[in-house]
Amino acid sequence: KAGVTQTPRYLIKTRGQQVTLSCSPISGHRSVSWYQQTPGQGLQFLFEYFSETQRNKGNFPGRFSGRQFSNSRSEMNVSTLELGDSALYLCASSLYGLRDTQYFGPGTRLTVL
Amino acid sequence: DQQVKQNSPSLSVQEGRISILNCDYTNSMFDYFLWYKKYPAEGPTFLISISSIKDKNEDGRFTVFLNKSAKHLSLHIVPSQPGDSAVYFCAASALGETSGSRLTFGEGTQLTVNP
Repeated sequence: KAGVTQTPRYLIKTRGQQVTLSCSPISGHRSVSWYQQTPGQGLQFLFEYFSETQRNKGNFPGRFSGRQFSNSRSEMNVSTLELGDSALYLCASSLYGLRDTQYFGPGTRLTVL
Repeated sequence: DQQVKQNSPSLSVQEGRISILNCDYTNSMFDYFLWYKKYPAEGPTFLISISSIKDKNEDGRFTVFLNKSAKHLSLHIVPSQPGDSAVYFCAASALGETSGSRLTFGEGTQLTVNP
């Protein structure tokens, strides 16, 4: 079974731009969650989608948004990029949700200049 | 407010010895705890979990201990192997209206196992 895939793997943007990251979950998984990893902050939960609905949300500003499609693929969008948004963005999929084993993708490394 | 803390950013042990990674939490609503391992350039992979109704869970060389009164959990790896060298994250979950209101991770501990 194919794992979680994320595209692109690397991205360079400038302040003020917006960016869209994509995540394809493991086949059959309906839950997709997104995380931001920065040095010293560990992994911070952004949000979780299940069956096209945002079910849980972390403490991030409204510039961070997402959506999930009927095939469970998910996108995350960050608008008006700031330097502090430079991070590794990880998505994870699972069968049932956040209390189920999360299977992580390799991440997208976003650099904001 | 860091609700899950891993106070040791790094740990170095000799091959064959025990590795003990620690994690503290502040939210008494957390009732499910997990450990993930992360190699460079890869996403985290699930290692082991424990529910708050237990105080110990074992899986091969990995054992997680939970002390609810101290709000502390630890991961023991015995014996440690060089391939265990990775960043280890602990995570905690509280049961919300849906299957988990969020998953809160610690900052991670870099474990290095020296041959």
